[in-house]
Amino acid sequence: DARVTQTPRHKVTEMGQEVTMRCQPILGHNTVFWYRQTMMQGLELLAYFRNRAPLDDSGMPKDRFSAEMPDATLATLKIQPSEPRDSAVYFCASGLGFSSYNEQFFGPGTRLTVL
Amino acid sequence: DAKTTQPNSMESNEEEPVHLPCNHSTISGTDYIHWYRQLPSQGPEYVIHGLTSNVNNRMASLAIAEDRKSSTLILHRATLRDAAVYYCILRDSGQGAQKLVFGQGTRLTINP
Repeated sequence: DARVTQTPRHKVTEMGQEVTMRCQPILGHNTVFWYRQTMMQGLELLAYFRNRAPLDDSGMPKDRFSAEMPDATLATLKIQPSEPRDSAVYFCASGLGFSSYNEQFFGPGTRLTVL
Repeated sequence: DAKTTQPNSMESNEEEPVHLPCNHSTISGTDYIHWYRQLPSQGPEYVIHGLTSNVNNRMASLAIAEDRKSSTLILHRATLRDAAVYYCILRDSGQGAQKLVFGQGTRLTINP
């Protein structure tokens, strides 16, 4: 069955390095979301796209984070430079439709550790 | 976003019904009530949603109070696989309709 895929599943890097996380939304879905989960803050929305256009990225630290959708089958979240406080699990989700009753489908997440 | 209040944790036994409460006293008339759950080491998954009437699907039932200030997610016969964190989320119909704002949720433990 159709699923959201994320790569890599795990990433360990050193402070200052660039990190790129990728997400393949479910084919045909027109909304894509990036969430971050930490023990302290729980699940937080970082950014989301509607028909590949960024709609809201107010949850993202703009100086180091960037999110893009080069095409309908790929969303990327980039951190440059990475810092230890960026260590978290990053989830991508996709959905079909723009209403408050539309379901979001989550990927398995990328666990990022910044040393 | 309107807030929800859930117990931090609950415990139940396998094959028994589970009732997970959620308070949302500041809910507006157009807010949908959504439930998601997160199994260990997985991303959240949709469980059910409703607006005013009670809802049933293959996973669970959602009972919504008449004044809509509270709701209850009902797992009719819990299994070990239902051990997860359950999130009750309100989604409005405005510009932010597409966002999910997660609280701390209820951690459900199922005893064999």
